[in-house]
Amino acid sequence: ELKVEQNPLFLSMQEGKNYTIYCNYSTTSDRLYWYRQDPGKSLESLFVLLSNGAVKQEGRLMASLDTKARLSTLHITAAVHDLSATYFCAVDKETSGSRLTFGEGTQLTVNP
Amino acid sequence: GAVVSQHPSWVICKSGTSVKIECRSLDFQATTMFWYRQFPKQSLMLMATSNEGSKATYEQGVEKDKFLINHASLTLSTLTVTSAHPEDSSFYICSARLQGLAGTGELFFGEGSRLTVL
Repeated sequence: ELKVEQNPLFLSMQEGKNYTIYCNYSTTSDRLYWYRQDPGKSLESLFVLLSNGAVKQEGRLMASLDTKARLSTLHITAAVHDLSATYFCAVDKETSGSRLTFGEGTQLTVNP
Repeated sequence: GAVVSQHPSWVICKSGTSVKIECRSLDFQATTMFWYRQFPKQSLMLMATSNEGSKATYEQGVEKDKFLINHASLTLSTLTVTSAHPEDSSFYICSARLQGLAGTGELFFGEGSRLTVL
């Protein structure tokens, strides 16, 4: 059974600081996704990582994938309050019919 | 980008009634759609895979007679919660995959439908 674990689950940080959220998964995967969810809202797609060593950046967020370690990271640079949200990673196992397994989510609060 | 729309956004119903939620892919065809459920402060859990023109595939522990899924066209999947009870209150989110040359196979999520059963 595919398991996806995020760390940390809760994160409070000050504006301007850097931090990394980790996503570990238990079996070989074809794709890894990062999503953002604001309270009461659905998911906003941030990144899709398709291969080992993939790195994608958008604004203050950068995601990377190490398929050998079965690890993805979401790095936050110089955090701002607007980044406060819950971040989910999810793994897509193509052979399973493309069903996503989500991590527990990381609730990020950026304080002024 | 591709758009997936859900309706209604929120619904409040009495216990014992049935509620239908629609999921539409607005600018692409989706042979497969997925239904997720999210309880407060929790992650998303896949309920079922909706296949156009055939029966849905349910995840372990999800009652297929309670959560009826119909995928009658390439742009519409519906989830009906039958005889709803308060424990069915949740945020239901659908997604659809953009396949083919025009897409990377990326999943697009609907806005979600919040169900409250009194």
